[in-house]
Amino acid sequence: GAGVSQSPRYKVAKRGQDVALRCDPISGHVSLFWYQQALGQGPEFLTYFQNEAQLDKSGLPSDRFFAERPEGSVSTLKIQRTQQEDSAVYLCASSPSQGSRNEQYFGPGTRLTVT
Amino acid sequence: QQPVQSPQAVILREGEDAVINCSSSKALYSVHWYRQKHGEAPVFLMILLKGGEQKGHEKISASFNEKKQQSSLYLTASQLSYSGTYFCGTASQTSYDKVIFGPGTSLSVIP
Repeated sequence: GAGVSQSPRYKVAKRGQDVALRCDPISGHVSLFWYQQALGQGPEFLTYFQNEAQLDKSGLPSDRFFAERPEGSVSTLKIQRTQQEDSAVYLCASSPSQGSRNEQYFGPGTRLTVT
Repeated sequence: QQPVQSPQAVILREGEDAVINCSSSKALYSVHWYRQKHGEAPVFLMILLKGGEQKGHEKISASFNEKKQQSSLYLTASQLSYSGTYFCGTASQTSYDKVIFGPGTSLSVIP
């Protein structure tokens, strides 16, 4: 079946622009996670949804970062007034049940470059 | 708090074995292991849960010492396809929805 998809795969933004990154999880998956991965580092937790509820947003670096999953399926990560330090790969993952009891299926990521 | 992984990097010849270690300062609910190849998404290898339950690929083995908050991933008879960066992720007992990943262990298998 179809895996997790993310779009766009690559995004170049000028500093100060707003960007929106989309994640389509595996159909029926309850949990959805967003991670930020800098070059040579592990994925860093940003936020977690269980269905449409955002249960943990403790990893969002600033109030410029906002995530939503209004119907419990597709999710969007929005970054306002992008800065150079936002440049990274943004990974989305979904899981069939809540929390960390099951494996996460990762999408291919969106590589964001802020110039 | 991010788990600690060791070693940072390892080079193996085909057929050799390796062990990758992961440790946390927090009481753990679950430990996850993923492998990521350059430019690709992380791929699931194994989950180990508090209480002894494990889920994962048949050819992968791992251990979880709940008292020491440590886990080890065992790679036996390595193949060229095992090359990549291995990440452990941990979820604490007080925040079990949230998986925090370590810095990774780079594994290179050479002929």
